[in-house]
Formats: sequence, C-alpha cells, structure tokens
Amino acid sequence: ETGVTQSPTHLIKTRGQQVTLRCSSQSGHNTVSWYQQALGQGPQFIFQYYREEENGRGNFPPRFSGLQFPNYSSELNVNALELDDSALYLCASSSGQDRTNLDGYTFGSGTRLTVV
Amino acid sequence: DQQVKQNSPSLSVQEGRISILNCDYTNSMFDYFLWYKKYPAEGPTFLISISSIKDKNEDGRFTVFLNKSAKHLSLHIVPSQPGDSAVYFCAASEYNFNKFYFGSGTKLNVKP
Repeated sequence: ETGVTQSPTHLIKTRGQQVTLRCSSQSGHNTVSWYQQALGQGPQFIFQYYREEENGRGNFPPRFSGLQFPNYSSELNVNALELDDSALYLCASSSGQDRTNLDGYTFGSGTRLTVV
Repeated sequence: DQQVKQNSPSLSVQEGRISILNCDYTNSMFDYFLWYKKYPAEGPTFLISISSIKDKNEDGRFTVFLNKSAKHLSLHIVPSQPGDSAVYFCAASEYNFNKFYFGSGTKLNVKP
C-alpha cells in the first residue's frame, strides 16, 4: 500500500464538540506531521510524531492533541471545537525524524472540517 | 507575523511562456526551501528544493533561485504547460528543525 490516506474526507461538527481525524502513513514511513490549512492560507504546522512520541509542536492550544500508533498510523484530536477550527487538515508522513528527508514528505489529500 | 510570504495570490500565463512565482521570507535562520504544487482535492506534492548553500537548483522545466541577502526565492517554469495550472506553495525550514513554514500560495493558470 502506497501513499498517505486520511479519513474522513469531509466532516461537519458543531461548536463545542470533539473530533478525531485519522491518517495512515505511507509504507516505510515512521514520522507523521499534521498541518492545518485555513481558507486562503498556507498549511500551518500543528505537531509531529516520531515512533509514537511527540517530536515538535506548533503554536496550537492543548485542545489539539495527537497519537501515533505502533503501525505508524496517527490521529489528530480536537476538543471543544471553535468556528475558527474550520479548515483543511493535512497529514504528512516521512521516514526519520531529522532533516535528511525533507524532500520525502508525502502529504495526504486532507480532511475538510467544518464547524458550525 | 507570517514568516513566509507569497504576495501574488494568482498568476496567469500563456502556454509556452515563462511562469515566475515569487516568495519572500523574514527568518534568517531558514536554510532549506521547497516548492510544493497542489491540485484541488489533492494534498501538496513536492516539486523542487534548494539549500541555502546554493543559489540555483534546476530540475527539468523547473528552476528555483535563492537570493539570501534579499530573503527571496523564485520558481521559474519554462515552458509553462496547461497541466502546470495549480496552487504553488513555497515552504521553508530552519536548521535542525523538521517542520515547514508555508506561504499562502499562488494560483497559477496556464492558458492554452
């Protein structure tokens, strides 16, 4: 199986609810990063996981949390949803935690989250 | 306080001509730069990269130029093709950090 797959592709949630987004990494990749792309903006780094441990975090509040599983698949959880959380959430996988493989980041197609 | 900026939201070019997409950055610690291409309903795909020790990197029709003193990079596509129509993002990374800072993107339209 190749490529990064994300589920669901679209999701509508109500303000205050919780949401879980899922990502299946490309085969052989042990690092996963999550990005938030608001409308008209570039992707913003949320956090990265390497071998099930958080390996860097962007400027997002604690209600954004993540998990990486032994098979290197990953989840992004967002609690207490706010209207501004409406965005495309992108997952990217790569091999290794350092900078030697920045070209090798593979992005999924994203989950479009709408908070109403 | 966006550290990577793409000031042109859109660009329209005739097929066969050159497309020049620009990107500026403010963080002098950035030392690795990448261009990504994004089609609708797809994730960004890697296009070309450049390290700060170089000022030019070429891959087929795509060339990236880096001007460190001006904190500016550009992507040249020659010749442009209709299939190049997409949103192009530039991204930058600091030494010893493995996350990207993205610009807001430039939507390129190549007219047949």
